[in-house]
Amino acid sequence: GNSVTQMEGPVTLSEEAFLTINCTYTATGYPSLFWYVQYPGEGLQLLLKATKADDKGSNKGFEATYRKETTSFHLEKGSVQVSDSAVYFCALEANQAGTALIFGKGTTLSVSS
Amino acid sequence: EPEVTQTPSHQVTQMGQEVILRCVPISNHLYFYWYRQILGQKVEFLVSFYNNEISEKSEIFDDQFSVERPDGSNFTLKIRSTKLEDSAMYFCASTLQGGGGELFFGEGSRLTVL
Repeated sequence: GNSVTQMEGPVTLSEEAFLTINCTYTATGYPSLFWYVQYPGEGLQLLLKATKADDKGSNKGFEATYRKETTSFHLEKGSVQVSDSAVYFCALEANQAGTALIFGKGTTLSVSS
Repeated sequence: EPEVTQTPSHQVTQMGQEVILRCVPISNHLYFYWYRQILGQKVEFLVSFYNNEISEKSEIFDDQFSVERPDGSNFTLKIRSTKLEDSAMYFCASTLQGGGGELFFGEGSRLTVL
C-alpha cells in the first residue's frame, strides 16, 4: 500500500543552520508529493508540492525535489530562522482513485537564536 | 483570509458517550475531509465528502463514525460511542477541487476519552 516515512524528530538547530528533513515514500503509480507545516496553535498548511519526477517544489526558502529513483522528497532549507519552528509533515496523494492525502508522522523542528 | 474553523478546540468525554466535532469549511469549497492524529503517530485519513455524500473512507471510519453537512455550512463528525482509542487530534480540511489541490486545514479538535 501507499505510505510515507519521515525522519524521527525532534530536530533542534541554531538559527542560520542548514536543515534537512528526510522523507521517503512507497506508492504504486506516480503520486504527487507535498510538505505541510503546522505552526503552534494553527492548522496544517501547504508549504510546497511536486507533482512529477524531478520537479522541485519551493516556498519561503524551503525546497524539496521529487526523486523517483530513490522514492524520496527530502525537505531542505539553507538557513533556518526561529520563526521556522513548527511541525513538518510529508504527504503523498496517489493519483489513482480517491484524493485522500497520506501523511507521515511529522517532524518537530525547534530553532533557537 | 478565509479559513477552516473547528469547534470545540478540546473536548473531554467519558467512554461510551457520543461526541460531535464541528467544522466550518471555507465557503466556496466543495470537498471536505476529516483526518485524525493519535499522539505520536501519523496523521490518518478518515473520510472525504463531496456532493453531500461520502466519496471515500478509510478502515478506521467504521460504523461508530458518521459525517453530515446539515445546513450547507457546517461539516460534522459524530462518534457514536467513544472508546479510549478514539483519543486523538481531529483535523477538518476542505478544498475547492479534488485531486492535486491544496487542502486547507482547521486547527484541530483534541478529543480525550476517559
